[in-house]
Amino acid sequence: QSVLTQPPSVSAAPGQNVTISCSARSSKSAYNFVSWYQQLPGTAPKLLIYDNNERPSGIPDRFSGSKSGTSATLAITGLQTGDEADYYCATWDSSLSPDVIFGGGTKVTVL
Amino acid sequence: QVQLVQSGAEVKKPGASVKVSCKASGYSFTTFGITWVRQAPGQGLEWMGWVSAHSGSTQYAQHLQGRVTLTTDKSTTTAHMDLRSLRSDDTAVYYCATGSVALQTLHFWGQGTLITVSA
Repeated sequence: QSVLTQPPSVSAAPGQNVTISCSARSSKSAYNFVSWYQQLPGTAPKLLIYDNNERPSGIPDRFSGSKSGTSATLAITGLQTGDEADYYCATWDSSLSPDVIFGGGTKVTVL
Repeated sequence: QVQLVQSGAEVKKPGASVKVSCKASGYSFTTFGITWVRQAPGQGLEWMGWVSAHSGSTQYAQHLQGRVTLTTDKSTTTAHMDLRSLRSDDTAVYYCATGSVALQTLHFWGQGTLITVSA
């Protein structure tokens, strides 16, 4: 079981908003920056959010990240069919092995 | 633009070794380290380790220590992942990635290399 816990799946209709949580079991992990990745079927992961809430260039502002205490959240507003993918959170904690841990992933389904 | 191009798919027998390459271009190779991540069929992402392209220093996931070696070659701007004593549960798509000094922030990814371990 991953040290970072995500819901296995979330779903919503096009245009609606969804949030994906990422909870750390370790209080030490909770204090490190969180990144979020989107993985479309059959493709490599793509960085969506880094440093909890920063978007790389080219990522639409429909995607946003936040972090509070031991949990991080990815929010997707105005859901589109092209958003149907797996989403992973990740953080770093040198007290653990592996040093970088990924959440178990959340499948977003657009109804 | 930054590109990471990986070597092609391979099929290996249990107990064998495999070496996957990752050719980097479009940036100064020694600026960032190279991270390796794998994904078993239908499963999530698993961090394997990181290698500094500048110094060659490495960090490995503990459960892979002793079986995996990560290296870089500055002359060819290529990173390599060597995995030994392959088992069936090493069957996965292997990705190289880079783009930040923060290990969990991977801006750029290779296309992935499928390694199948089967008798």
